[in-house]
Amino acid sequence: ETGVTQSPTHLIKTRGQQVTLRCSSQSGHNTVSWYQQALGQGPQFIFQYYREEENGRGNFPPRFSGLQFPNYSSELNVNALELDDSALYLCASSPRDRASGELFFGEGSRLTVL
Amino acid sequence: AQRVTQPEKLLSVFKGAPVELKCNYSYSGSPELFWYVQYSRQRLQLLLRHISRESIKGFTADLNKGETSFHLKKPFAQEEDSAMYYCALSGPWFGNEKLTFGTGTRLTIIP
Repeated sequence: ETGVTQSPTHLIKTRGQQVTLRCSSQSGHNTVSWYQQALGQGPQFIFQYYREEENGRGNFPPRFSGLQFPNYSSELNVNALELDDSALYLCASSPRDRASGELFFGEGSRLTVL
Repeated sequence: AQRVTQPEKLLSVFKGAPVELKCNYSYSGSPELFWYVQYSRQRLQLLLRHISRESIKGFTADLNKGETSFHLKKPFAQEEDSAMYYCALSGPWFGNEKLTFGTGTRLTIIP
């Protein structure tokens, strides 16, 4: 069983640029959630995708957007990057039909905005 | 608004001593609470959830609605318990995979 994989693992961008982060969900999981983890903080919910549609969103501006594909993989896009966007971005998948609250996390993509 | 508070950023305990990691929450509905753990060089993973009322790796956590707490306890600490621990609350969105996390407690077990 393949776990959640994310790419890239590290990247550096400058303020104002755009970034796309990618996530492959664990086999058999149809729901993908994205979290932002700033240094010294817990993960903060950005949004969730189920059946290719956004299904809940946290307190993040519209420049944070996402996609889910038919194979349940997902992308997180951030436009007009700001310094405060520097963080670890975690993707997590879960099987919606067995909603247990258990999230299966990837190792994250660490974004640095200069 | 929902909130999870973990008052201790760092906690050091001697091997064999009892461990208690504190978690308090604020939530207007019926909460679902979880403890997630991240061991060194591993990804974040579920340790236990309150609805299961189970003991995992010797850890237990009881939901106290009166005190709005969900403290994690283990009677005898082991060196392999050293890790980062996050308390999390499900809600307010529909579905229990959308979590609000606390800031975490780094537990160090002293040999």
